[in-house]
Amino acid sequence: NAGVTQTPKFQVLKTGQSMTLQCAQDMNHEYMSWYRQDPGMGLRLIHYSVGAGITDQGEVPNGYNVSRSTTEDFPLRLLSAAPSQTSVYFCASSYSASGNEQYFGPGTRLTVT
Amino acid sequence: DAKTTQPPSMDCAEGRAANLPCNHSTISGNEYVYWYRQIHSQGPQYIIHGLKNNETNEMASLIITEDRKSSTLILPHATLRDTAVYYCIVRVPQRAAGNKLTFGGGTRVLVKP
Repeated sequence: NAGVTQTPKFQVLKTGQSMTLQCAQDMNHEYMSWYRQDPGMGLRLIHYSVGAGITDQGEVPNGYNVSRSTTEDFPLRLLSAAPSQTSVYFCASSYSASGNEQYFGPGTRLTVT
Repeated sequence: DAKTTQPPSMDCAEGRAANLPCNHSTISGNEYVYWYRQIHSQGPQYIIHGLKNNETNEMASLIITEDRKSSTLILPHATLRDTAVYYCIVRVPQRAAGNKLTFGGGTRVLVKP
């Protein structure tokens, strides 16, 4: 199986534009999440989902929306991009919401000018 | 989550075992020890976890001391592709707070030819 996949790998946006970062997993994992990682900093949780139809906010949710219509997919929408959202975005999944190991995608490197 | 202390960096010769220490003297009885790594420009990768027994998988071995106050991750035959930052995390798997992973400073491991 492919594990966790993310598209695109790289994206440049202008301030005010919107876009959707795609994340998919083929492991039938219940839990999925989005993190951002800024240079020299740790991971910060944006949004997470404990199952289809259920989402919740992490520690830095402002400016982002998510939905979970299927078990496999968990897209992250940037509503109106700002330079402060320049970051690397990682999607992760685990078998359960209190899962031991989490599997990460390769990341999307986003630049907002 | 219990605090962990890791050396900031270490070098290892290719083909040799790499022993990565982690101190977690305030660990509580229900907290697990997890190891992740992050290779440059890639997503974090789960390596192994354990509660009190030693664990081994295809990637590494985890040795936890009897008092559980410290642990060692062993990469049995380090390769150049093992160059990465390695993170030791001590936590209880939990639905609360989005099952967020918090990485500390980690150990930057450089495998040399």
